[in-house]
Amino acid sequence: DSGVTQTPKHLITATGQRVTLRCSPRSGDLSVYWYQQSLDQGLQFLIHYYNGEERAKGNILERFSAQQFPDLHSELNLSSLELGDSALYFCASSVGGLGYTFGSGTRLTVV
Amino acid sequence: AQKVTQAQTEISVVEKEDVTLDCVYETRDTTYYLFWYKQPPSGELVFLIRRNSFDEQNEISGRYSWNFQKSTSSFNFTITASQVVDSAVYFCALMDSNYQLIWGAGTKLIIKP
Repeated sequence: DSGVTQTPKHLITATGQRVTLRCSPRSGDLSVYWYQQSLDQGLQFLIHYYNGEERAKGNILERFSAQQFPDLHSELNLSSLELGDSALYFCASSVGGLGYTFGSGTRLTVV
Repeated sequence: AQKVTQAQTEISVVEKEDVTLDCVYETRDTTYYLFWYKQPPSGELVFLIRRNSFDEQNEISGRYSWNFQKSTSSFNFTITASQVVDSAVYFCALMDSNYQLIWGAGTKLIIKP
């Protein structure tokens, strides 16, 4: 157990729907990062939150949004889902950028 | 632009052979970190090593070793006496100044019994 918890582990949904992925960081970590792993794009950084504030954005679509709550857990919201959004979504947490720890991922399948 | 290149898409060897996975990176930063992760078929990302750009010492951990050469911007990973359990996809990654990981495309390693 890495200490980073992602739920759900698997998610199957239809095109056009909206889903929320949840991440609980390791105790004491203030930073949360979201990554997407798809067959055609590989692993890509999506967004970084630090102590509730957005710090950096990567290749995140406008249909996607995220937030980090006061208890430091984070949610990634994906809306108007398309088949191409099917991917493995990873969350990682860290202290000061190092000590990156990944969760086990959420596998999203859009049908 | 910052970039990580893993030119080997797939490598297949017979058990007990040594195998080297190549990683070449590009960065303008003078301080950076390099990583290797393993992704077994179950899908999770398993941390293997982190290397600071100032530390060019080679590292050995059991059957694993890493060769970091700043002069050629390479951070290669060698598995000695490979085992079937080493079969996985291996990723090299570069951490930029914003603490984001920039990933290579990965090398799928197949170890045949």
